[in-house]
Amino acid sequence: TQLLEQSPQFLSIQEGENLTVYCNSSSVFSSLQWYRQEPGEGPVLLVTVVTGGEVKKLKRLTFQFGDARKDSSLHITAAQPGDTGLYLCAGLCLPNFGNEKLTFGTGTRLTIIP
Amino acid sequence: DADVTQTPRNRITKTGKRIMLECSQTKGHDRMYWYRQDPGLGLRLIYYSFDVKDINKGEISDGYSVSRQAQAKFSLSLESAIPNQTALYFCATSARTGGQETQYFGPGTRLLVL
Repeated sequence: TQLLEQSPQFLSIQEGENLTVYCNSSSVFSSLQWYRQEPGEGPVLLVTVVTGGEVKKLKRLTFQFGDARKDSSLHITAAQPGDTGLYLCAGLCLPNFGNEKLTFGTGTRLTIIP
Repeated sequence: DADVTQTPRNRITKTGKRIMLECSQTKGHDRMYWYRQDPGLGLRLIYYSFDVKDINKGEISDGYSVSRQAQAKFSLSLESAIPNQTALYFCATSARTGGQETQYFGPGTRLLVL
């Protein structure tokens, strides 16, 4: 079983601050995704990164895939209360042989204080 | 209308009772999944199905069973519920596009076993 550890598990910061959330594993992934989950809802996909070293931006959110494809980070600039939620990373493992299923990380619960 | 629906949304049951959680989707996806979510553990896969005749165990299938009644329907059963099955349960569907796997989650079922 491939494990994805996220850190920190909980993070509470003031509106306007910057933050980084990490997702780490000893396994290599063919791709890695980030989801955000709000209370009472299921997770929703934010981004997929595929290439080692890849950086993707989604407004104030910057996602990076590690060069070795074992880790990823999510950086939020000037956090806003609407960013509050549970952030989950999820990796698709190599090799998969058509039997793909995602392995989810442990989650980071982010609270932005107005 | 939601693409992935789950019923019931909330359920309280007693130890030893049989309970079924239902999932329906209108996305036309072949792949469906059942996860449970516990604090600090992220999402853990219970069962998954890649088409109507395909059923596979996930990492925590003990105490659970599933039925894929049709492409659009995937139900999860707890034959004899126990308190440590108290959790938030999510159904998901997925599609592979251009080599990328995206999962679409239902709103979740909150289950309490007394």
